[in-house]
Amino acid sequence: DQQVKQNSPSLSVQEGRISILNCDYTNSMFDYFLWYKKYPAEGPTFLISISSIKDKNEDGRFTVFLNKSAKHLSLHIVPSQPGDSAVYFCAARGGDDKIIFGKGTRLHILP
Amino acid sequence: DAMVIQNPRYQVTQFGKPVTLSCSQTLNHNVMYWYQQKSSQAPKLLFHYYDKDFNNEADTPDNFQSRRPNTSFCFLDIRSPGLGDAAMYLCATSRDPRGGLYYNEQFFGPGTRLTVL
Repeated sequence: DQQVKQNSPSLSVQEGRISILNCDYTNSMFDYFLWYKKYPAEGPTFLISISSIKDKNEDGRFTVFLNKSAKHLSLHIVPSQPGDSAVYFCAARGGDDKIIFGKGTRLHILP
Repeated sequence: DAMVIQNPRYQVTQFGKPVTLSCSQTLNHNVMYWYQQKSSQAPKLLFHYYDKDFNNEADTPDNFQSRRPNTSFCFLDIRSPGLGDAAMYLCATSRDPRGGLYYNEQFFGPGTRLTVL
């Protein structure tokens, strides 16, 4: 049973527009939420995180929003750039400090 | 540059023939992880080490073993690969995350893609 769900396998966004990637989770004990980015033939790289006690964290063009009541988080990328084309994994840290990943969403930035 | 290195990048083995995947790191992190990722699936944790302290996930098959001879190196041994073991195997490292107030980022290697014939 998936504890971290990314229901959109892929997303296409025009360059310069906003990309919004969504993630839902089931375990209310998760204390940290993360986004990792993965290019082909490379390992995932950490992008941004948010603690469960916050509702927003911003880093440059990337902002993560957390809605605990809905058990939902989203990653906003503004403006989207060609180099943002990648697979984005949502992940969460449980009480045992292990990270649980979603299946990923492939983002295509269109010229 | 400090990094996580995995060798080989691509490994082809025959059904039932043992195979070893290797991971090395120059980050001097005390925690190392092995994940299995099948196509279009989430990376799944197989086991991890806190220093030499080995931690196996409950659902990791016995067919999978690991060794960590020192801080820098970690090996994944698949004793009798089956067709279902074909996947990308990712190694990652981090500082000790236990009890931390902040998330200790996991640094991933590029992965080894295992094909079983």
